[in-house]
Amino acid sequence: GENVEQHPSTLSVQEGDSAVIKCTYSDSASNYFPWYKQELGKRPQLIIDIRSNVGEKKDQRIAVTLNKTAKHFSLHITETQPEDSAVYFCAASITRGNTGKLIFGQGTTLQVKP
Amino acid sequence: EAQVTQNPRYLITVTGKKLTVTCSQNMNHEYMSWYRQDPGLGLRQIYYSMNVEVTDKGDVPEGYKVSRKEKRNFPLILESPSPNQTSLYFCASRTYGYEQYFGPGTRLTVT
Repeated sequence: GENVEQHPSTLSVQEGDSAVIKCTYSDSASNYFPWYKQELGKRPQLIIDIRSNVGEKKDQRIAVTLNKTAKHFSLHITETQPEDSAVYFCAASITRGNTGKLIFGQGTTLQVKP
Repeated sequence: EAQVTQNPRYLITVTGKKLTVTCSQNMNHEYMSWYRQDPGLGLRQIYYSMNVEVTDKGDVPEGYKVSRKEKRNFPLILESPSPNQTSLYFCASRTYGYEQYFGPGTRLTVT
């Protein structure tokens, strides 16, 4: 079945540096790739997503890139701030048909040191 | 306001005492899921439902039941809870191809 691998499991950066989290997926039919941020004690919330017909998407300090050939996608956070500290989850989904199932990576704990 | 609600938010119970965690969404989403979150294990899907009366097992369904009699509600039932079901539970809903919304979470402790 579909599998999503996420690396690294923990990431520590200095405030102002960039952070990169990488995910690989196994099912080449996957076509929707969201990223979720989960702050301590809160629910996961969508921060950015990308579809398979797009190679890159940016939203202010956050960007996601997708390489369909290699079946991997990455989250890039620039100019990190302490409030970026959280757990980040990638996910992959096949949207054709009626499955709708999101497969999540294991999560990356990002710590931004002031 | 679009939202997913869960109740209760916190629950402490004893082994074997049946419990139900309710989940409701007001977005007319077809797809609903239950996840459990444990330290170091990420989000693991327990059950999901693709529409009313259509449910299927996720990755860790043992010890849980669900039902989907109405589109908006997707309760999680633990018939005989055990300590290994102590966890943080999230309900979620989405429509196909779009953002998945999570409920606020239910922290369950089984003693």
